[in-house]
Order: sequence, then C-alpha cells, then structure tokens
Amino acid sequence: GAVVSQHPSWVICKSGTSVKIECRSLDFQATTMFWYRQFPKQSLMLMATSNEGSKATYEQGVEKDKFLINHASLTLSTLTVTSAHPEDSSFYICSAIPANYGYTFGSGTRLTVV
Amino acid sequence: KNEVEQSPQNLTAQEGEFITINCSYSVGISALHWLQQHPGGGIVSLFMLSSGKKKHGRLIATINIQEKHSSLHITASHPRDSAVYICAVSTSGGGADGLTFGKGTHLIIQP
Repeated sequence: GAVVSQHPSWVICKSGTSVKIECRSLDFQATTMFWYRQFPKQSLMLMATSNEGSKATYEQGVEKDKFLINHASLTLSTLTVTSAHPEDSSFYICSAIPANYGYTFGSGTRLTVV
Repeated sequence: KNEVEQSPQNLTAQEGEFITINCSYSVGISALHWLQQHPGGGIVSLFMLSSGKKKHGRLIATINIQEKHSSLHITASHPRDSAVYICAVSTSGGGADGLTFGKGTHLIIQP
C-alpha cells in the first residue's frame, strides 16, 4: 500500500533554533502534500499545501517566512520551523493523496520548544 | 469556509455496545472522510464517502448529502476501538484541497 513516511516522530529544541520535518512518499509520487498542525485538545488545521516544483500555498494566518516548505522532488516535502518559540510546540502531520488510496497521513511529529 | 461539527465530544461505553458518532457540515462538499487517531497521534483513514453507505468489518459510515450529515457506527465495540474519531471534509473534486476537520470524538470502550 501507499505509505507516507514522516521524520522525526518527536523533537525537542531550544527556543530560537530551527527544526526540519520531512515527509516522504514511498512507492508513489506526490505532486501535492498537505501540512497540518494540531494543538492539544484542538482539531487538526491545514497550514499549507506543498506543490512539487512551485511555491507552497499557505492558509490565512500561517507565516510563510516562519514555516518554510520545500517540495523539491516528487517524493519529498519538508517543513522547517524557523526561530522556533514555545508557542510553536504542537503536533505536525503531513498527508498526500496517492492514486486509488485516498488521503494518507504521515505518522506525525511532536515538536516541543523549550 | 466549511464548519464541521461532531458529537459527542467524548463517549465511554462498555464492550459490545453499538456506537454512533455524528458529523454535520455547513456547505457542500466533494467528499467526507472518517479518520481514526491513536494516542500517539498517528492517523488512519477509515472511510471516504460522497454518497450512501460504506461498510468495513464492524465499521459502517453513512452520509446524507441533502441534510449535510454523516454518521459513523461501530458494531460489537471492543476496547481496541478506543481512539479519537475525526470527521473531515474536502471540497475539491480533484482532491487538490486540504481537509477541514471536526474536533474529534474521544471514544473509550471499557472491558
């Protein structure tokens, strides 16, 4: 079946540093990937749509200069949280839509900024 | 923007009980999704519906497009069904849009 591999599963970083999260599509090509964020006891929220070879589309209220998205190949999208602050602590998860499989999610990344 | 409402927010039941989780949305959609999120955060897609009813094992999902309402049913519930169940909608027929999610229903099945 189609799998989206997301790394790391969890990360703790110091305030002011940057963190990169990777999502890879295994056994399929993903021209589009979606990045979501979930704060404790809140619903998942779409942050941005990542498109291979072009700029990402960000949802209203999401700072594109803070959450850098790169989708340089058909199998890899990365989200970099720059100058992370404690309020960026959250659960980040990506998804893709492989043909005939519907929405497929990565395993998520729990980010804690201290 | 679509508003997705789920009920109940929390549900505790005994093993073997029939479970129903409801979802309503505010504007037209191309598809409705039922997802299962486990304590570690991982998400599994259970169903994608655009009309009618689907069944997979002990899980049944229905949708009424006119009423903008969907239900997820679990028959013969088991403790391993304990998870957060999330309703989400997509509005793009080509699947090019990200999903809009409900807040989820936290289900606990007690032995």
